[in-house]
Amino acid sequence: GQQLNQSPQSMFIQEGEDVSMNCTSSSIFNTWLWYKQDPGEGPVLLIALYKAGELTSNGRLTAQFGITRKDSFLNISASIPSDVGIYFCAGHPIFYGGSQGNLIFGKGTKLSVKP
Amino acid sequence: DVKVTQSSRYLVKRTGEKVFLECVQDMDHENMFWYRQDPGLGLRLIYFSYDVKMKEKGDIPEGYSVSREKKERFSLILESASTNQTSMYLCASSFLQSPYEQYFGPGTRLTVT
Repeated sequence: GQQLNQSPQSMFIQEGEDVSMNCTSSSIFNTWLWYKQDPGEGPVLLIALYKAGELTSNGRLTAQFGITRKDSFLNISASIPSDVGIYFCAGHPIFYGGSQGNLIFGKGTKLSVKP
Repeated sequence: DVKVTQSSRYLVKRTGEKVFLECVQDMDHENMFWYRQDPGLGLRLIYFSYDVKMKEKGDIPEGYSVSREKKERFSLILESASTNQTSMYLCASSFLQSPYEQYFGPGTRLTVT
């Protein structure tokens, strides 16, 4: 089946640091999205991207839809403690046989605070 | 703000029981979805519905059924619960014109013993 490779799996942040994570696929996607999930809660939509090359910001978060349409990147600038959580990429492959709204999810990047 | 609510945060059921998970959204979304989330496997779509009484199978529909009698409510049914259905179940909803911008509920952690 379709798979998204999300990296890194986990990372530690110090307050004020910039953070980067990415998602890649062997298939071409027509939509990329980034979600954040806090412990015990459902994922919350952060950014949606619809065009190759698109760069979209939401506060300190910036995401890009890769030119090849096979990848996406999320950057968090000047991280703060409440950025801790699990970040998921998700997307819809262009030739996917699944139904409308059917998303493929990455396995997540867990952001933790450096001890 | 979009609000998606799920009937229970935690549920413990016995093997063989029939289990109902309820989801309600208040944003007049046409689409509603049921996912399960397991460590190492991520989120996987079980079923979705784009209209009242309409449903489509997702990637892992076996052992589950759904019901959508009203636009705001989408139920997931485990006909005969099994231990391998122990999981976190997440409901989501979205507008028909932006199906991928999905809003999730808080989840129901189901344990089948």
